[in-house]
Amino acid sequence: DIQMTQSPSSLSASVGDRVTITCRASQSISSYLNWYQQKPGKAPKLLIYAASSLQSGVPSRFSGSGSGTDFTLTISSLQPEDFATYYCQQSYSTPQAFGQGTRLEIK
Amino acid sequence: QVQLQESGPGLVKPSQTLSLTCTVSGGSISSGSYYWSWIRQPAGKGLEWIGRIYTSGSTNYNPSLKSRVTISVDTSKNQFSLKLSSVTAADTAVYYCARGNDWHYGDDHFDYWGQGTLVTVSS
Repeated sequence: DIQMTQSPSSLSASVGDRVTITCRASQSISSYLNWYQQKPGKAPKLLIYAASSLQSGVPSRFSGSGSGTDFTLTISSLQPEDFATYYCQQSYSTPQAFGQGTRLEIK
Repeated sequence: QVQLQESGPGLVKPSQTLSLTCTVSGGSISSGSYYWSWIRQPAGKGLEWIGRIYTSGSTNYNPSLKSRVTISVDTSKNQFSLKLSSVTAADTAVYYCARGNDWHYGDDHFDYWGQGTLVTVSS
């Protein structure tokens, strides 16, 4: 099974900051990497698919990059509504797997 | 706009079978190159992929749950279902259904999710 490891597990930042979250796969997953945002009591929301494609309706301050085993999610200028938990997910092979999550908190 | 809605008992006794249904609206469950998944999340923890089904009937399950899980689809009702047998307190979680989209090579993601339903395993 492929393991997904996110870093950091939590992060404090201010509105307007640039933030980067990293996701590493235990083996190559090509570009089969997705990013989701989850707010308390809500279902996850797709932000980025295929490592770098922005889901329709998602603000352009979100971007993704990487391939193989190392991936990043970048938020270029944090907005108040961005404080949430972020998960990466590999869909290269089953069982699909999520990272443990990165909780983004207001500093 | 596609919508997914989970339904089923919110309380299940230990050793019994958890049964949930996901009803898909706003589109046919049989159309397009999609599959239908179940994902769960214990309180305060991360997301765990349970398994998926294509409308052809083909399934994949998480090996950690495989001996206890069955996912089925009823295209006539535009629904798919989850059964998890021999539950314990460790199966207490919010259960989500989701649509998997693997239309394009190199891309496979969950684009629509249900709101989630809390299932508690307790006597």
